[in-house]
Amino acid sequence: AQSVTQPDIHITVSEGASLELRCNYSYGATPYLFWYVQSPGQGLQLLLKYFSGDTLVQGIKGFEAEFKRSQSSFNLRKPSVHWSDAAEYFCAVGENYGQNFVFGPGTRLSVLP
Amino acid sequence: DGGITQSPKYLFRKEGQNVTLSCEQNLNHDAMYWYRQDPGQGLRLIYYSQIVNDFQKGDIAEGYSVSREKKESFPLTVTSAQKNPTAFYLCASSIVTGTPGFGYTFGSGTRLTVV
Repeated sequence: AQSVTQPDIHITVSEGASLELRCNYSYGATPYLFWYVQSPGQGLQLLLKYFSGDTLVQGIKGFEAEFKRSQSSFNLRKPSVHWSDAAEYFCAVGENYGQNFVFGPGTRLSVLP
Repeated sequence: DGGITQSPKYLFRKEGQNVTLSCEQNLNHDAMYWYRQDPGQGLRLIYYSQIVNDFQKGDIAEGYSVSREKKESFPLTVTSAQKNPTAFYLCASSIVTGTPGFGYTFGSGTRLTVV
């Protein structure tokens, strides 16, 4: 069965600092991988996705993620964090056509002024 | 603009009552999903439906029921059998044919509180 782990429950960074959120997955075939962001009391918004091709994918709000098959990882990065990036971030792995996703437990990001 | 509408945003229920959460989408998506979110536990799948008049139990279906009479609508009923219904409920939808790896589109959620 597929699974997703996000080792960091809570990360705090200073505004302007770089960010990396970790995601590891377990899946038998080539996975479809996603990062979502959730602001308090809101739904989830898709940041970026990977399903084939270039292993470095660009998303919205200046985020990028790199798929590393050898490490079963799909880490999310941003070179310079803004205060508005404070939110909860979820990594997800899905089968074809986005059916029956498995979500990681989430990483809460706090940003210091 | 297309999207998913969940209503109401906040809902209060007395113990022993059933309550229905609404989810409507105008994205022409085939599949719809209900998730429950509790602090520190991520998202847990309650029910999902890939076509009209058909739905499947997810990981935590006990105490919940759904219907899918129209492609656009997937209401969730939280029954009195659900022992701990206070949570944030998220509805999502996706395509099941065409471009792969499309992902989910989420509604803005309903926060249910039992009083």
